Parts: sequence; structure tokens; C-alpha cells
Amino acid sequence: AQSVAQPEDQVNVAEGNPLTVKCTYSVSGNPYLFWYVQYPNRGLQFLLKYITGDNLVKGSYGFEAEFNKSQTSFHLKKPSALVSDSALYFCAVRGAGSYQLTFGKGTKLSVIP
Amino acid sequence: GAVVSQHPSWVICKSGTSVKIECRSLDFQATTMFWYRQFPKQSLMLMATSNEGSKATYEQGVEKDKFLINHASLTLSTLTVTSAHPEDSSFYICSARVNRSISYEQYFGPGTRLTVT
Repeated sequence: AQSVAQPEDQVNVAEGNPLTVKCTYSVSGNPYLFWYVQYPNRGLQFLLKYITGDNLVKGSYGFEAEFNKSQTSFHLKKPSALVSDSALYFCAVRGAGSYQLTFGKGTKLSVIP
Repeated sequence: GAVVSQHPSWVICKSGTSVKIECRSLDFQATTMFWYRQFPKQSLMLMATSNEGSKATYEQGVEKDKFLINHASLTLSTLTVTSAHPEDSSFYICSARVNRSISYEQYFGPGTRLTVT
């Protein structure tokens, strides 16, 4: 079975400061990892993914994530947070032998002006 | 590219009636679509996987006779909530899988807010 843990329900960060949203995963075989963002009453928007290759993945809106195989982590990062980044962020994983995504419970990011 | 639409975006219905939600892939073909349910402040729960031209595969605990899924074409899947009750009120999100992508990315619709009174 595959699973995702997002240990923080909420992350608060001041505008302009770097932000990190944590994610760890468990899956058989090589993982396919994704980050999505959800604004209120909206569907999920794709931010970035890791499939293979460079451990540092760059995505939309200045976000990036680092795949760490030994720690089974895929933390989302941004060097300088914007108030408009405030939203709900979901990490998801899919095993190489599965087409189903498993989501974490989500982390609410609040960027304080 | 890879845009998924849902209709309606919100719907209010009376208890006992049925509601149909459409999910369309606008600029690509999707042989597989997924239906999720999201409760307030919670993650997405996969309800069922819909493959074009075949019966949907439901997750454990999801009533297939209550949540009817039809995937009649490569660009359209529908979810019908039959005999809706207030506990069916939720945010329903569909996604479509991009087959040409080696990672089998899923692109999500904007969601449908269902309120049953």
C-alpha cells in the first residue's frame, strides 16, 4: 500500500521569507511524486512532479521540491513567499505499478503580509 | 493544454432527487477518469476509477448503486448521485489521466459543490 504523510496541518510564514511544506511517502518501488495546490472552492492545480532524474524539481509559480530517497521525503519549497501563495497544498504519490494517486491530508499555508 | 472542466460548479437539490455531474477533458483524450470526494478541511478520497467503455471500479465503502458513473466517450465521464441525502453534500472533484504522459499525470477539474437540502 502507498501512503503520504504531511505532518503539518498549517504552516505560517511571513511574506518574503522562505517557505517549506513537508511531505514524506511510502510506496513500493520507485515513486512518482506530485504537489498540487487548492484555492477555496476550487479543484487542484498541478505544481510540479518528480518522476526520475534530478532530485531538485522546479515547478509553477516559483515553487520547487527536493526528492530525498533515503528520507523518503519530497518537501515543497519556495525562496520568497507571496501572500497569494496562501492556499491548501497536497502532496501525492503513485507507485510505478499503480495508476492511482494517494494524497496526503493537506497543509494549509498562510503567508502573512 | 490538459484542461478538465466540470459542470455544474455548484448545485443545490432536494433530498430524494438525483443529480448528474459532468467531467470533460477539453483538449485531450482520457481513457481513464477518476472521481474524488472532499469533505471540508480534509483530503481527497478516491471514490471510483472510470475507464471509457467499461464499468467503473469503485473503492471500498462507496455504494455503486448510489454513485452511478458513466464514461461514454474519451472526453466525458458523468457521476450521478441518486436519491441524494444531506450526508451526500460534499465537494466532488474529477480528474483525467493523460495517457501520453509516461508519468500518467492526472489533471483535475475545478470541482462541483453539492448541497442536498
